[in-house]
Amino acid sequence: AQTVTQSQPEMSVQEAETVTLSCTYDTSESDYYLFWYKQPPSRQMILVIRQEAYKQQNATENRFSVNFQKAAKSFSLKISDSQLGDAAMYFCAYRTPNTGNQFYFGTGTSLTVIP
Amino acid sequence: GAGVSQSPSNKVTEKGKDVELRCDPISGHTALYWYRQSLGQGLEFLIYFQGNSAPDKSGLPSDRFSAERTGGSVSTLTIQRTQQEDSAVYLCASSPGQGPAKNIQYFGAGTRLSVL
Repeated sequence: AQTVTQSQPEMSVQEAETVTLSCTYDTSESDYYLFWYKQPPSRQMILVIRQEAYKQQNATENRFSVNFQKAAKSFSLKISDSQLGDAAMYFCAYRTPNTGNQFYFGTGTSLTVIP
Repeated sequence: GAGVSQSPSNKVTEKGKDVELRCDPISGHTALYWYRQSLGQGLEFLIYFQGNSAPDKSGLPSDRFSAERTGGSVSTLTIQRTQQEDSAVYLCASSPGQGPAKNIQYFGAGTRLSVL
């Protein structure tokens, strides 16, 4: 079964500090893509960062970076220098292009940023 | 348009009524997805359109749910004889379908459906 697990329903972080959101997934495919999406109260999902499974180097986008551990099927998101605007739901997702067109999403982590 | 547009943003209906939700994808995007997001849950895949190919309907929860995509652009998700458990946010996403961004989905703001 294709599944994504986010074991932290809620997380909080002090403004300017660093927080890590965890994600594990289950697939037997070797070719896949991983994503972190942010959903603010406006409901619109915004892509934060993505990682191709064949790339060993961890993706980074400004204050956002991932720790991709392929053997452990782990894909955590690190947010550095947290800002109030980072408060949102964060969803981990992946897609396996060779086994259909679906994107599989986790249940999300609600991040609170404390001023 | 500049982004994915969904309408209405909110819909309240009575149990047993039919509803239509609209999605206008980014111009030129060949792939279009519908998802359902229930309170406190992740995104549940409903249906996928890619160009002129037959849609992937594997996620539709019952035969009360159907979707069309006319002219490869605008899509309508129809829920017949709505039930209270249909209450959720319905999200639409589009994707270029090819090129370096083919695996990136661009989402609309969703339609919040409330069935009384």
